[in-house]
Amino acid sequence: AQTVTQSQPEMSVQEAETVTLSCTYDTSESNYYLFWYKQPPSRQMILVIRQEAYKQQNATENRFSVNFQKAAKSFSLKISDSQLGDTAMYFCAIRTHNAGNMLTFGGGTRLMVKP
Amino acid sequence: GAVVSQHPSRVICKSGTSVKIECRSLDFQATTMFWYRQFPKQSLMLMATSNEGSKATYEQGVEKDKFLINHASLTLSTLTVTSAHPEDSSFYICRGSQGGSGTEAFFGQGTRLTVV
Repeated sequence: AQTVTQSQPEMSVQEAETVTLSCTYDTSESNYYLFWYKQPPSRQMILVIRQEAYKQQNATENRFSVNFQKAAKSFSLKISDSQLGDTAMYFCAIRTHNAGNMLTFGGGTRLMVKP
Repeated sequence: GAVVSQHPSRVICKSGTSVKIECRSLDFQATTMFWYRQFPKQSLMLMATSNEGSKATYEQGVEKDKFLINHASLTLSTLTVTSAHPEDSSFYICRGSQGGSGTEAFFGQGTRLTVV
């Protein structure tokens, strides 16, 4: 079984600044994917970024980047130049090869971007 | 990109009635549909996994007679909340997958159910 832990229930950041959301996970499998999802007030789940475990290079998507530390089982999300529209719940998730397409989610971090 | 259309987005029903939530994959064949439940300010909890043409697999603690899942076609899966009670009020969201572990999967927009 997989577990995902997000230790920061709530965070805030000033507009235009940088914030890092933490995520740790546990799995016994070597083949897996990690994800960050954003859930704005509309509650639509939006994929922010994904990382294949076999890739050493950290994934980036515009202002979003991850720090993937496989040995430490850590997968943090960095948001640069924070914007008001980044205000949302952020969920870290893992998908293992043996679990098919099933996702296991962390508890979420509520991010507030302040003007 | 691929889209999963979920309806209704919001529904209010009386206690004791049943409510059906539909998820349609619009431009891909969803061989697997995952159904989640989310309480306010909490994470998504997997309720069940359904594969087209077969019975759904329910997570521990989820009443299969209460939450009926049908996945009769590759483009449509439904969740019926039977004899709804106020404690069933929640946000329900589906996620459709077109294949095995290497393929992408897509969320529906979610349904906010309120039982009065």
